[in-house]
Amino acid sequence: DAKTTQPPSMDCAEGRAANLPCNHSTISGNEYVYWYRQIHSQGPQYIIHGLKNNETNEMASLIITEDRKSSTLILPHATLRDTAVYYCIVRSHNAGNMLTFGGGTRLMVKP
Amino acid sequence: DTGVSQDPRHKITKRGQNVTFRCDPISEHNRLYWYRQTLGQGPEFLTYFQNEAQLEKSRLLSDRFSAERPKGSFSTLEIQRTEQGDSAMYLCASSPRTSGTYNEQFFGPGTRLTVL
Repeated sequence: DAKTTQPPSMDCAEGRAANLPCNHSTISGNEYVYWYRQIHSQGPQYIIHGLKNNETNEMASLIITEDRKSSTLILPHATLRDTAVYYCIVRSHNAGNMLTFGGGTRLMVKP
Repeated sequence: DTGVSQDPRHKITKRGQNVTFRCDPISEHNRLYWYRQTLGQGPEFLTYFQNEAQLEKSRLLSDRFSAERPKGSFSTLEIQRTEQGDSAMYLCASSPRTSGTYNEQFFGPGTRLTVL
């Protein structure tokens, strides 16, 4: 699986958009970008995934650059409950069944 | 609640003792995973079951660790002769199997193990 690089921490004001970057410059053509988050004392929670097109669901939007070497997870209106560690994971559907988590980004949403 | 459940939520044990954790996946999810998470780190994969078959094991899963899923439903993770380095959160996840598409993994709340 391709290696990902994320900032260790970020702050965001409540109600504002949170933009979480992820670099994955060694991503290969069949690898998807997935995002999970982990709220304190809970297990990780799936957010969204994509291959090359931008994706949106009820939780977030995923913007993938045209060269696919980086992506941004967008929480459009961050709330205090979005305070969590956000993990960017790159893997192919055929890469086995494990998820390889890095250090993630600790997002703190402040009132 | 139809999510993944784990029991116990917390376990404190003395070094050298054996411990066993249980995971109940979401009903009809035939894939089950175990991960370990130490403080400040992301989860690390330990092992994976498809139905009752254990198909993948990480090098992290030493011979003191054993996992079972006897009837393809719940799973147990046993650690024998615990060491202080085993202190961690043990996470279980499950997913359905649908060919050709990714299936998100649904995680339980974890079992926090403290070895004294």
